[in-house]
Order: sequence, then C-alpha cells, then structure tokens
Amino acid sequence: DAGVTQSPTHLIKTRGQQVTLRCSPKSGHDTVSWYQQALGQGPQFIFQYYEEEERQRGNFPDRFSGHQFPNYSSELNVNALLLGDSALYLCASSFMTENTGELFFGEGSRLTVL
Amino acid sequence: AQRVTQPEKLLSVFKGAPVELKCNYSYSGSPELFWYVQYSRQRLQLLLRHISRESIKGFTADLNKGETSFHLKKPFAQEEDSAMYYCALRGGNTGKLIFGQGTTLQVKP
Repeated sequence: DAGVTQSPTHLIKTRGQQVTLRCSPKSGHDTVSWYQQALGQGPQFIFQYYEEEERQRGNFPDRFSGHQFPNYSSELNVNALLLGDSALYLCASSFMTENTGELFFGEGSRLTVL
Repeated sequence: AQRVTQPEKLLSVFKGAPVELKCNYSYSGSPELFWYVQYSRQRLQLLLRHISRESIKGFTADLNKGETSFHLKKPFAQEEDSAMYYCALRGGNTGKLIFGQGTTLQVKP
C-alpha cells in the first residue's frame, strides 16, 4: 500500500494562472481533505470531499475548488493565483464511518507562485 | 473562535531530559485533541489522541479542560524524538482539524 499519493511534488506558476493538484487516497479510504501549509505554519483546512461532494469548507475563497472522482481520488484547483497562494498543499485521507479523527497525509505538493 | 496555540517554535533538550510540548486551545464545546508528528523526510502522522488515553513511544498527553491545555510529555527524551510536533483540535463530529503552528523538538546527544 503506497499510502496517500500526491502529484506533482513541486510546481511553479505565475500570478493569475490556474493550477490543479491531484491526490489518491490510501487504499480503502473514501474521504479526502485538503490542507494548505504556509512556511512556518501549521496546516490549514481547505475542504473535505466525501461521496464526490464537498462536505465541509474552511475559510478559503471560491478561487479554491475541488472534485472527487468515483474512485475516491481528488483534485484541488486554484484559479487566479496570488503570490500568497505559495505553500505546501497537503492531501489527507480517512474512512468516513471510522470517524476517529486520524488523517493519513501525503507528502504534499509544493506550489510556488511568482 | 476555534484556535490552537503552541507557544514554542523550538524546544531543545538533552537526551534523557524530560520533555513537555505545550498546547493550548480555544473552543466553546467539547473538543477532541490530537498530537501529530512529522519526522525528518517523513509525512505528517498521528502520534496520539486524547480519547485513547494511550502512551505512544513514551509520550502521553492529558486534556485539561479547566486550563484548556493538552500538553505532550515524555519523561526521558531520545534522539529519535527529534521532529516537528503539531497539536490539533477537532470540534464536533466534523472532519476538520485545526492545527497549531507546530513546535520543533530537538534532542541533543
């Protein structure tokens, strides 16, 4: 089991561009959450997907959107990139009915906006 | 507002010394508290959760609702404990975790 996998690992964009980040959850997991981690900060919750729907959302603008596919994988899309969007984006998976609060994290996608 | 505060960015101790990583939270209801850890070149992973009342790798943490704290403790630090530690809160039956800023624990030989 490879655990949670994310792609790409690193990418560089310019202001105003759009980016798509991808995540495959740990085998057997059906829920995917996305977090943004700025340098020197803890992860900040963006949103959670379950059954292909956004179930919860943190305090992020509509420029941040997502999708979950039938195979439980997920994408995070960010439009109209700002310099402040530069961060490590973490995907975390879990199994909804276990509801233990334990999240399994990927290694992240590091986004740099120039 | 829901908030987690870890007042120390860096905690440096010698091997064999006691360790206490501080965590304070702000939440109006009954929260669930967690400690996550990230070792060098590894991904973020759960260390322990307060409802389990367990000791993992010699670490324990007690939820003190009166002081709204969830400090992580270990009586004798080991070099392999060196890592970044994050305290996290979950309020209600949600999937959202609120993380603190993290504390780097450095255990010197």
